[in-house]
Amino acid sequence: GQQVMQIPQYQHVQEGEDFTTYCNSSTTLSNIQWYKQRPGGHPVFLIQLVKSGEVKKQKRLTFQFGEAKKNSSLHITATQTTDVGTYFCAGPTGGGNKLTFGTGTQLKVEL
Amino acid sequence: DAGVIQSPRHEVTEMGQEVTLRCKPISGHNSLFWYRQTMMRGLELLIYFNNNVPIDDSGMPEDRFSAKMPNASFSTLKIQPSEPRDSAVYFCASSHRVPTTEAFFGQGTRLTVV
Repeated sequence: GQQVMQIPQYQHVQEGEDFTTYCNSSTTLSNIQWYKQRPGGHPVFLIQLVKSGEVKKQKRLTFQFGEAKKNSSLHITATQTTDVGTYFCAGPTGGGNKLTFGTGTQLKVEL
Repeated sequence: DAGVIQSPRHEVTEMGQEVTLRCKPISGHNSLFWYRQTMMRGLELLIYFNNNVPIDDSGMPEDRFSAKMPNASFSTLKIQPSEPRDSAVYFCASSHRVPTTEAFFGQGTRLTVV
């Protein structure tokens, strides 16, 4: 079936270092969404990208949607301890608005 | 709006018992999703509804799982009989279909089957 994979699965960084997670879909997506889940919490929507090659920024976070609309990335500049959590990409698969989540990247930030 | 409301927050039950999880979506949202989260399998979509109608239940593990949405403001996920491997966090989420498919999640129900 349709799959959405993310790499890496885990990432430990020192505070101040940059972080990137990559998302790849087996099929073309009409849009890609990114969510953050804090430890013990629930996924919270961050952003949605719709256009091929689109780049959006939220403060230290930069989101990119690939030209083929099958991959995406999230880059965090100068990580802080508040960035700790698991980052998921998600996209509508199988027609309609069936929202399939990626495998997630767990980020840990050490002082 | 109070957001998506799930109950109970925690449930501990014995193997073989029936478990019912409840969800109240955000008013006005017409799509509702049930997800299961485990360390091994991540966030799995179990079933989703559009306008109270089940659209895709291909993620439901087996016949022990069933979900209903009798009206726009309430949904249930039932497991009968429950098994230890059903232990997980179950999330309900709702969304508009337009202008965005952003999903709003509830706090989740942590289910432990012993």
